Amino acid sequence: EVQLVESGGGLVQPGGSLRLSCAASGFTFSSYAMNWVRQAPGKGLEWVSIISGGGGSTYYADSVKGRFTVSRDNSKNTLHLQMNSLRAEDTALFYCAKASHDFWSGYYAAFSTFDYWGQGTLVTVSS
Amino acid sequence: QSALTQPASVSGSPGQSITISCTGTSSDVGGYNFVSWYQQHPGKAPKLMIFEVSNRPSGVSSRFSGSKSGNTASLTISGLQAEDEADYYCVSYTTITTLGGVFGGGTKLTVL
Repeated sequence: EVQLVESGGGLVQPGGSLRLSCAASGFTFSSYAMNWVRQAPGKGLEWVSIISGGGGSTYYADSVKGRFTVSRDNSKNTLHLQMNSLRAEDTALFYCAKASHDFWSGYYAAFSTFDYWGQGTLVTVSS
Repeated sequence: QSALTQPASVSGSPGQSITISCTGTSSDVGGYNFVSWYQQHPGKAPKLMIFEVSNRPSGVSSRFSGSKSGNTASLTISGLQAEDEADYYCVSYTTITTLGGVFGGGTKLTVL
């Protein structure tokens, strides 16, 4: 059974940093791209970032580019999101989502077909 | 990335059919057959309902179907049931401004 469990959320001051993690199990982690998707309170879903199965390719939404860094440790089946220079508008529930493909097997699908999701970890940016 | 355009809300009675639209541009919805739809109940994680415009994952009811015409994708739910009441989001690969994914703003489906 595929499981994705996010952690690392919490309350942080504007300008601060936070590192989210997503522990994966039940599938061959290194064979799939992984995404981060966030949802501000009472708002819609926003795609944040994607990383290829091997970790060598990454993409970001314009709203987080230059501030967030996605990475993965395939030896530990763990996905990370390093978030720096946090702003109030980054307050959201952050989900990790498994892509149905890796870049080499389904590049476009990796950005839109998310077949498993975690339950999310809440990030609150406030003074 | 600019969000894809969805109606804020739709409604229907049990047994009826409804359609939710998702309008983008030739740089996303219109340019690629990689549009997915997600269902989200309150307090729950999103669930994949349709992928690659019109494909249903295993376990998703055949009452859910997807299509695309030009820059607009659509999700149709036939034989509405009470449990279909939820928020629905479309997402597409996009090349606007930067490469990535882009979601629609979401549609609240109310089953009357």
